[in-house]
Amino acid sequence: GENVEQHPSTLSVQEGDSAVIKCTYSDSASNYFPWYKQELGKRPQLIIDIRSNVGEKKDQRIAVTLNKTAKHFSLHITETQPEDSAVYFCAAGATGTASKLTFGTGTRLQVML
Amino acid sequence: DSGVTQTPKHLITATGQRVTLRCSPRSGDLSVYWYQQSLDQGLQFLIQYYNGEERAKGNILERFSAQQFPDLHSELNLSSLELGDSALYFCASSAEGISGNTIYFGEGSWLTVV
Repeated sequence: GENVEQHPSTLSVQEGDSAVIKCTYSDSASNYFPWYKQELGKRPQLIIDIRSNVGEKKDQRIAVTLNKTAKHFSLHITETQPEDSAVYFCAAGATGTASKLTFGTGTRLQVML
Repeated sequence: DSGVTQTPKHLITATGQRVTLRCSPRSGDLSVYWYQQSLDQGLQFLIQYYNGEERAKGNILERFSAQQFPDLHSELNLSSLELGDSALYFCASSAEGISGNTIYFGEGSWLTVV
């Protein structure tokens, strides 16, 4: 099955700096890679996703890059703000009705004032 | 609000007991997923149903079972509960599988086993 590794487990940045979270996956059949943000005690919420036919996707201060050859993808947050503080999960999965997402172990991002 | 409804929000029960968690997916979504999240842990996939049928199984214990009903709501049954089963259980839904369709999570059911 799919195995997703995520690094770092914790990340502290100063407000206004950039943050980068990296994930690797093992199953070459995976072709959908979403990122979820989870605030304490809340549900995971999708913030951005990328499909394998695209190398990069950007949405305002958030961008995701995908390297299918190396089987890794990354989340980039620029101009970080205190409200970006949360746990971020990457996930990978293959398309199809019998599909599921395998999540990384999460990165706790702390944006310091 | 994601449109995925889970009940109960909080549940405290004793070891050895059985509980049922309920999930109503977003309107029109055929796939329902159950995930377990222990304290400070990641999201562990338990099981997926698609239009009433089990489609994918993860690290779900034999003491746990699930089903999806004709109206597409789903229930996760946890029996012979142990202290280690204390966790936040999420239900999620998507239109089909994850064939490009976003998976939306419910608010979760907090289970505490004492």
